[in-house]
Amino acid sequence: KQEVTQIPAALSVPEGENLVLNCSFTDSAIYNLQWFRQDPGKGLTSLLLIQSSQREQTSGRLNASLDKSSGRSTLYIAASQPGDSATYLCAALNAGGTSYGKLTFGQGTILTVHP
Amino acid sequence: GAGVSQSPSNKVTEKGKDVELRCDPISGHTALYWYRQSLGQGLEFLIYFQGNSAPDKSGLPSDRFSAERTGGSVSTLTIQRTQQEDSAVYLCASSFAPKGAGNTIYFGEGSWLTVV
Repeated sequence: KQEVTQIPAALSVPEGENLVLNCSFTDSAIYNLQWFRQDPGKGLTSLLLIQSSQREQTSGRLNASLDKSSGRSTLYIAASQPGDSATYLCAALNAGGTSYGKLTFGQGTILTVHP
Repeated sequence: GAGVSQSPSNKVTEKGKDVELRCDPISGHTALYWYRQSLGQGLEFLIYFQGNSAPDKSGLPSDRFSAERTGGSVSTLTIQRTQQEDSAVYLCASSFAPKGAGNTIYFGEGSWLTVV
């Protein structure tokens, strides 16, 4: 059974800092790993998707890496801004067995960037 | 439509009543997911469809919960005899996912259910 864990549970930083959010997963048989953002009272917005054959993906100030063999992914946010404040969730898409096609989420990291 | 559409966006119902939640996925998307998010909690997997079939129903909390998908498009999640613990946001997502591929998953805004 896939289990996804995110560390830290919450993070508060001053504007301008670079930061790293961590995600680990127990079953390496994945198609991909996605990072999402959730604002209060809203649905989820996909930020980055890394296929299992890839090592990293970049979009603007965001960079996500994937080390499938060790079951880890990181989301790097450069030069953080107050508008980055949200909950960040990672999710692994299972590739095999009875959990084929199932997207398993971590509990999320609540990020607060203060001016 | 341009995105995943869910209805109703908000629903307040009395304990014991049945509710139906609807999800209209992005056109052409083969995979459809239902998740539940309780206040302050993470996302709980409920059910996943590939086309009209559900390979994984393991997340449905009880036999009061059921879901169907017809025509490979719209899906309905039905909760019978609602209980207060069913209060949550029910999120639907879809992706273009022919077997063997994993693509970006897009979420709707959710249906906020309150059972009083």
